[in-house]
Parts: sequence; C-alpha cells; structure tokens
Amino acid sequence: GAVVSQHPSRVICKSGTSVKIECRSLDFQATTMFWYRQFPKQSLMLMATSNEGSKATYEQGVEKDKFLINHASLTLSTLTVTSAHPEDSSFYICSARDITGDSYEQYFGPGTRLTVT
Amino acid sequence: GQNIDQPTEMTATEGAIVQINCTYQTSGFNGLFWYQQHAGEAPTFLSYNVLDGLEEKGRFSSFLSRSKGYSYLLLKELQMKDSASYLCAVRDRDYQLIWGAGTKLIIKP
Repeated sequence: GAVVSQHPSRVICKSGTSVKIECRSLDFQATTMFWYRQFPKQSLMLMATSNEGSKATYEQGVEKDKFLINHASLTLSTLTVTSAHPEDSSFYICSARDITGDSYEQYFGPGTRLTVT
Repeated sequence: GQNIDQPTEMTATEGAIVQINCTYQTSGFNGLFWYQQHAGEAPTFLSYNVLDGLEEKGRFSSFLSRSKGYSYLLLKELQMKDSASYLCAVRDRDYQLIWGAGTKLIIKP
C-alpha cells in the first residue's frame, strides 16, 4: 500500500521558536495533502488542505500566518509552526491523497508529536 | 451543515462481537471510510464503502445504507488489541473527508 512518512516523529521546542514538520509520499504522487491536528482524547481536526504548486486552503479558525504550509512538489509538503506557544502542543498528522484509480484514498503519515515548553 | 454521529464510547468482552454505528448528513456522498486509531498513533485504514451493502474483511465488516445515511462497523472475535478509537469519515461532494468524533472501544477480558 501507499506510504506516507513524517519527520520528525517527536519534537520538543521552546516557546517562541519555529518548528518545521515534513510530510512525504514515498511511492505515489500526491497533488493534495492534508494537515490535521489532534488534541488528547479528541478527533482529528483538519487544519488545511495543501495543493501542489498553489497556496494552502485553511480551515476557519486556523491562523495561516502561524501555520505556514508549503507544498513544493508532488511528494513533499511542509508545515511550519511559527512562534510556537505551549497551547500549540499537539499531535500533528498529515495525509496524502492518491488520485490514481477510483478511490481517491487518503493515506496518513505516522504523526508528529509537538511539545512546546 | 455537515454532521457525523457515532457513540463516544463502547465496552465489549474479549471474544465477543461489537457493532459501532455511524450516521451522517453531508453535502453529497462519495464514500464512507472507517479508520482505527490506537492512542498516540495515526489512523489506519480499515474499510471503504461506496455502494449499499456489507463489505467483509476478515474479522471486520462494514455496512452502508445510503438512503438511511447509516453505516456500521462490525468487529468479531474481539481481541484485546482491538481496543482503540474507531473513526467514521464520509467523503463529500468535493471529495473532502468529514470526520466523526470517533468511538473509543474498550475490550475487557
């Protein structure tokens, strides 16, 4: 099956610093990637949809200047959390959509646990 | 608005059968997915239904009724490792996934 990787898997940073998370589709091309955030004991919350070569579409309430998304190629999207605060501590998960075939399946990365101290 | 409802939590006994229901109201329908998520991990794909009926895959089966806006995930011969959250998601007319809040399944020996 299709594989999506994320890096890093865990990161601890100090308040006020920036953190970049990478999401890669390893064996397929993903014109669309999604970034989710998940707080403990809660469901996935879609943050933004990123299309290769264009600006990301952010969900209501998500600050686009704080969560910078770059989808520069068909296999790589990055999420940068700028000026991180402790309330940004969460589990960040990306998924990539494979447009081949009929299913438009989304494949999830393993997630990145961000802790801001 | 778009809405997906599933029970918050369910408890079942090892070796038994459990059915997790999901009802949805979305703008269009292009398939329904079930995902399993263990604590601290990303979701993993379980099943996909786009036509009415039952899809069976080993111990797991998923059913869909589009006219009723209803699906269920059936887990048989429950094992302790099945303790997880089960997420129902519907793909709308724009091929966006709309997520339910998830059902936490607790398996007791």
